[in-house]
Amino acid sequence: KQEVTQIPAALSVPEGENLVLNCSFTDSAIYNLQWFRQDPGKGLTSLLLIQSSQREQTSGRLNASLDKSSGRSTLYIAASQPGDSATYLCAVRREYGNKLVFGAGTILRVKS
Amino acid sequence: DVKVTQSSRYLVKRTGEKVFLECVQDMDHENMFWYRQDPGLGLRLIYFSYDVKMKEKGDIPEGYSVSREKKERFSLILESASTNQTSMYLCASSLFKATRYEKLFFGSGTQLSVL
Repeated sequence: KQEVTQIPAALSVPEGENLVLNCSFTDSAIYNLQWFRQDPGKGLTSLLLIQSSQREQTSGRLNASLDKSSGRSTLYIAASQPGDSATYLCAVRREYGNKLVFGAGTILRVKS
Repeated sequence: DVKVTQSSRYLVKRTGEKVFLECVQDMDHENMFWYRQDPGLGLRLIYFSYDVKMKEKGDIPEGYSVSREKKERFSLILESASTNQTSMYLCASSLFKATRYEKLFFGSGTQLSVL
C-alpha cells in the first residue's frame, strides 16, 4: 500500500529565506507526482507535476525534484514571501490506475 | 483556465437527510473525483469516475454514492447523512490525454456540517 509522508508538518520562516519541503513515498512504482498549495478553507491549486521519467520541474520561484528510486521529492521555494503562507501537499499517482495518494501536508508560515 | 465549480460553499444538514453535492467542470475532462478532507487525516478518495455513467469506489465509499449522467457533472450523494460525515468535500477533475494523466484541478470545496 502506497503511503506518502511529508516532513516537516509545519514550518515557520522569516521572509526572504529559501526553504525546502520534503515528500517521501513507500512504493517507487509511480506514474507521476504533483505538488499542490491549499489556502485556509479553500480547494487545492496545482503547482507542479513531475512525470516519473523526469527529474525536476520549475515554475517561477518554485522548483520540484523527484528521485523515484529513493522515493523522495522536494519542493524548493526561493526567496519566500508572506504570500507563500499556505499548506503544501504532495500526491503520487500509482503506476497502474487513476488514484492519487496524498500526503498530510506541510503548513508553511512566512513571517514579514 | 480549467474551472471546477462546487455548487455550495457551506451546507448544514440534519442527521438522516439525503444530501446532494454537485460538481461541474468546464474543460471536457474525462476523470472526476470526490475527496473528503479531515484534520489529521488528509485527503481521502471517496469515489471517482473516468467516463459518463462509469464509477469506481475509492478508499472510503461507505455511506456515499455518486452519479455521472453527463461528462461535465459529477454528483456525490449522502443517502442518510450522519454526524461522522461532517467534513470538507473536494471535487477534482483531470484530463487523460494520449496515455498521460494530466494535472488534477480542484474546486473550492464544500464544508458540510451534519447536526
